[in-house]
Amino acid sequence: DTGVSQDPRHKITKRGQNVTFRCDPISEHNRLYWYRQTLGQGPEFLTYFQNEAQLEKSRLLSDRFSAERPKGSFSTLEIQRTEQGDSAMYLCASSLPPTGTQYFGPGTRLLVL
Amino acid sequence: DQQVKQNSPSLSVQEGRISILNCDYTNSMFDYFLWYKKYPAEGPTFLISISSIKDKNEDGRFTVFLNKSAKHLSLHIVPSQPGDSAVYFCAASDSAGGTSYGKLTFGQGTILTVHP
Repeated sequence: DTGVSQDPRHKITKRGQNVTFRCDPISEHNRLYWYRQTLGQGPEFLTYFQNEAQLEKSRLLSDRFSAERPKGSFSTLEIQRTEQGDSAMYLCASSLPPTGTQYFGPGTRLLVL
Repeated sequence: DQQVKQNSPSLSVQEGRISILNCDYTNSMFDYFLWYKKYPAEGPTFLISISSIKDKNEDGRFTVFLNKSAKHLSLHIVPSQPGDSAVYFCAASDSAGGTSYGKLTFGQGTILTVHP
């Protein structure tokens, strides 16, 4: 069990640029979640997948955000036309139903200048 | 609408003593609760969970208590150690009456400092 991995760990970009993050879940976990965390707050849910199907999206996920999990394994989260307000830690987690326990990766810290 | 609240931003405890972290929730559909520990620049680490059919769950130094009527849960750490110093988040999920859980809703976190 290698745990959840995320790449990159840090990303600095200029406003208006597009960025893409990758998440590799624990191998046997078929659910994958994305969260965003800003300073002083708890993680906030963005979206989740069961296998390749995207089952739920938060209202926080504007049309500049898109997530995919094409083969039901790794997932990507893309932010188009980044804004300074997108600066945050982006966390990925995975789980194996029926348990509700989610295991988190180390996160990708995004800074938009 | 903050459905999960941790009203204490910080807690300071002496090594060897008990740490008690509290969490309140408003959504009566929540039926699974978790505690996570987080160090700076790392992802949350799962500590312990409890289903709504129980009122207590223990794992080593960690015990979680659930009071459904008060919509309140607490995490007890005994004895506290300096390595326990971190941010602690409570989280909740609901099974929507089914058999599997979806997203987690988190509180704002409590910074625990354990002094040697």
